[in-house]
Amino acid sequence: AQSVTQLGSHVSVSEGALVLLRCNYSSSVPPYLFWYVQYPNQGLQLLLKYTSAATLVKGINGFEAEFKKSETSFHLTKPSAHMSDAAEYFCAAITSQGGSEKLVFGKGTKLTVNP
Amino acid sequence: EAGVAQSPRYKIIEKRQSVAFWCNPISGHATLYWYQQILGQGPKLLIQFQNNGVVDDSQLPKDRFSAERLKGVDSTLKIQPAKLEDSAVYLCASSPPYSWTQYFGPGTRLLVL
Repeated sequence: AQSVTQLGSHVSVSEGALVLLRCNYSSSVPPYLFWYVQYPNQGLQLLLKYTSAATLVKGINGFEAEFKKSETSFHLTKPSAHMSDAAEYFCAAITSQGGSEKLVFGKGTKLTVNP
Repeated sequence: EAGVAQSPRYKIIEKRQSVAFWCNPISGHATLYWYQQILGQGPKLLIQFQNNGVVDDSQLPKDRFSAERLKGVDSTLKIQPAKLEDSAVYLCASSPPYSWTQYFGPGTRLLVL
């Protein structure tokens, strides 16, 4: 079964600095991977997804992620943080359990952007 | 295109009371999901519907939780009786045919006192 690990429950960066949020998955097969963002008191919004096409995936709001099979990683990056990026970010993967496929989420990383 | 709609947005009840949440998915999305998100954790799937049939309810506490999607469109999730540990955000999501991408509603924040 697929599992998702997000390293660092809290990440703090300065405005304009690089954002790096880490995600590792466990699987022996190419996965379907996603990054979602959740702003306070809101639902989850899709940032980007990997579906076995290009390994570098570009998403909304200037975010991108690179799928690295050798490292079983799918880290999320943004070159320059903006105050509006402050939110919680979830990495997720499709897993097959009990004969059905389901989306399994990491525990989330809360991003703080300091002025 | 309208997103996933959920109501109510907030609910406060006392333990042992019952509560119901409603979800209307994006038009044309056959698959509907209910998730429970406890504070500080990622969402956990409770139940998945394909049209009006249940695909996966393995993590639904069936002694107190129930869900239905009678006409294959909107859905209700019920808790009866509620426990303190049911305090969480309940998220509804839907996905279009032949896609793994899920679109989430704003959630219902439940507080059980």
